[in-house]
Amino acid sequence: DAKTTQPNSMESNEEEPVHLPCNHSTISGTDYIHWYRQLPSQGPEYVIHGLTSNVNNRMASLAIAEDRKSSTLILHRATLRDAAVYYCILRDVGFSNGQNFVFGPGTRLSVLP
Amino acid sequence: NAGVTQTPKFQVLKTGQSMTLQCAQDMNHEYMSWYRQDPGMGLRLIHYSVGAGITDQGEVPNGYNVSRSTTEDFPLRLLSAAPSQTSVYFCASSQNRGRLEQYFGPGTRLTVT
Repeated sequence: DAKTTQPNSMESNEEEPVHLPCNHSTISGTDYIHWYRQLPSQGPEYVIHGLTSNVNNRMASLAIAEDRKSSTLILHRATLRDAAVYYCILRDVGFSNGQNFVFGPGTRLSVLP
Repeated sequence: NAGVTQTPKFQVLKTGQSMTLQCAQDMNHEYMSWYRQDPGMGLRLIHYSVGAGITDQGEVPNGYNVSRSTTEDFPLRLLSAAPSQTSVYFCASSQNRGRLEQYFGPGTRLTVT
């Protein structure tokens, strides 16, 4: 699977929007872009995924660049509960290598009250 | 639904001891997997299973065994514990191999002295 690059950490103020970037310049045409987050002392939690078009759900929005070499997870109004490590992960839609997700170090988001 | 459950939550072992980490899910998911997470790092895949009776190795399988005799359970066995296996272990499941949303358990924190 192609690799992703994320900033190590970001800070946001409570109730402000947060834009978490992810670069994946070697993405292939069949790679889905996934976002998970991990709250302190918990297992990872699914946030959102997309292939080519922007996606919205109750937790967040995913904006995918036209060339698909980068994407941005958008939290519209950060709360203290959103403080977590956010992982951007690519996975081939064909799952040809049999591997599951490859989690990198992610971005640690701090939310200030 | 209880989702994905893991036992124990914490465990301390001496070098050379063996033990089994338990994982169970009540969502009738076909796909289950085990990850380990070391401090400051992302998750690394140990073993996975696409259904009862079928298992395969992930990125870091050495020192671990798995079996899948039922859909619900996917235990991870440490054959002879080593300090390098000190980590937090997460079990995950998804509806099937093609589903992109994984559900993670709360984790088992293992220390090997």
